[in-house]
Amino acid sequence: NAGVMQNPRHLVRRRGQEARLRCSPMKGHSHVYWYRQLPEEGLKFMVYLQKENIIDESGMPKERFSAEFPKEGPSILRIQQVVRGDSAAYFCASSTVNTEAFFGQGTRLTVV
Amino acid sequence: QQQVKQSPQSLIVQKGGIPIINCAYENTAFDYFPWYQQFPGKGPALLIAIRPDVSEKKEGRFTISFNKSAKQFSLHIMDSQPGDSATYFCAAIPFSGSARQLTFGSGTQLTVLP
Repeated sequence: NAGVMQNPRHLVRRRGQEARLRCSPMKGHSHVYWYRQLPEEGLKFMVYLQKENIIDESGMPKERFSAEFPKEGPSILRIQQVVRGDSAAYFCASSTVNTEAFFGQGTRLTVV
Repeated sequence: QQQVKQSPQSLIVQKGGIPIINCAYENTAFDYFPWYQQFPGKGPALLIAIRPDVSEKKEGRFTISFNKSAKQFSLHIMDSQPGDSATYFCAAIPFSGSARQLTFGSGTQLTVLP
């Protein structure tokens, strides 16, 4: 049973480009969460999605960031017009309703 | 503001020592307190968790102590080993939440010397 799969593991983007981060939840999990980890800091909640619905996006920056979890395929976290401050590790977690969440290995985004 | 304060930022112990990591919270709506272990280049992995109706929970060499009145909880690692060297995060979830509501501490980088 594969765990939460995130890709790419490492992503380098120039300022102004778009970054797309993908997350495939564990089999049977319909809840997906995205967290951001800045260097030397803890993880900060960004967004919580179920299939085709955004449940809670209270941690998402208002500009440039968006997330989706379509009926088919992985969840996507999209960052438009990236800036240096977007450089971080982005973690996805998945769960069933009200069970423990399992984290993926993260995508390390570097903006140059 | 929902916040979990964690200390120390880093900790170095000898093999066999008992590192202790402390966390404090303010939001009384928090009802579930997990600890996560993270190795470099990996995602956080759930280590052990506690609810506030108990004062202590043990799983193997890991123990959580919980003081509800002080709104503090701590992780103790008995007989620590070099393989325990990792970053440890405490977290908290409100009663009505699932993982979406995880509020993490800032992390403690533990080094266990051989």
